[in-house]
Amino acid sequence: QKEVEQNSGPLSVPEGAIASLNCTYSDRGSQSFFWYRQYSGKSPELIMSIYSNGDKEDGRFTAQLNKASQYVSLLIRDSQPSDSATYLCAVNILIQGAQKLVFGQGTRLTINP
Amino acid sequence: DGGITQSPKYLFRKEGQNVTLSCEQNLNHDAMYWYRQDPGQGLRLIYYSQIVNDFQKGDIAEGYSVSREKKESFPLTVTSAQKNPTAFYLCASSKQGWGYEQYFGPGTRLTVT
Repeated sequence: QKEVEQNSGPLSVPEGAIASLNCTYSDRGSQSFFWYRQYSGKSPELIMSIYSNGDKEDGRFTAQLNKASQYVSLLIRDSQPSDSATYLCAVNILIQGAQKLVFGQGTRLTINP
Repeated sequence: DGGITQSPKYLFRKEGQNVTLSCEQNLNHDAMYWYRQDPGQGLRLIYYSQIVNDFQKGDIAEGYSVSREKKESFPLTVTSAQKNPTAFYLCASSKQGWGYEQYFGPGTRLTVT
């Protein structure tokens, strides 16, 4: 099992709808979870961080964390064409006694006007 | 304006040449990181430093070297021993070590022919 897994997509969503991006992780002890947005040819930009179970909202973005199920998701409400990008999930994971931030492969999201 | 700068944006080199990528931050962050991203792939950790004058190998350190003589600076040298150096190189920093949010610079795209 990969340490952090995402569906690579592409995920296609009509403008104005809710986009739902999912991520699972392997380490039950993980405490820090991040979502990054990466436009083509650009560097990743941090859009959400979440540390405790439940929902965290920031504008049109909601991060949801369920540690029991080892699952973190990102919802984007009222999707806009400018939301079209690759979304990277990153989780702090303990590997062979050392902590590191592990990135998923990313989910490519396309918002259709 | 606080942030992370990387230079140059694009770099072209001949095989067999060493090349140094610059990374500077003025966020007063203790920790800095170097990642490599290949097309359609996630981020892979090359080296990281949690404090001045100390750094650790990441998952793919072979063929790379770093130094951390100043808090603000974490240059990466891609040596001729790196078998496939063509990639997008990303520098990041965080307030402290693992578990904190990482912020990325704009990246350097290196092409070796």
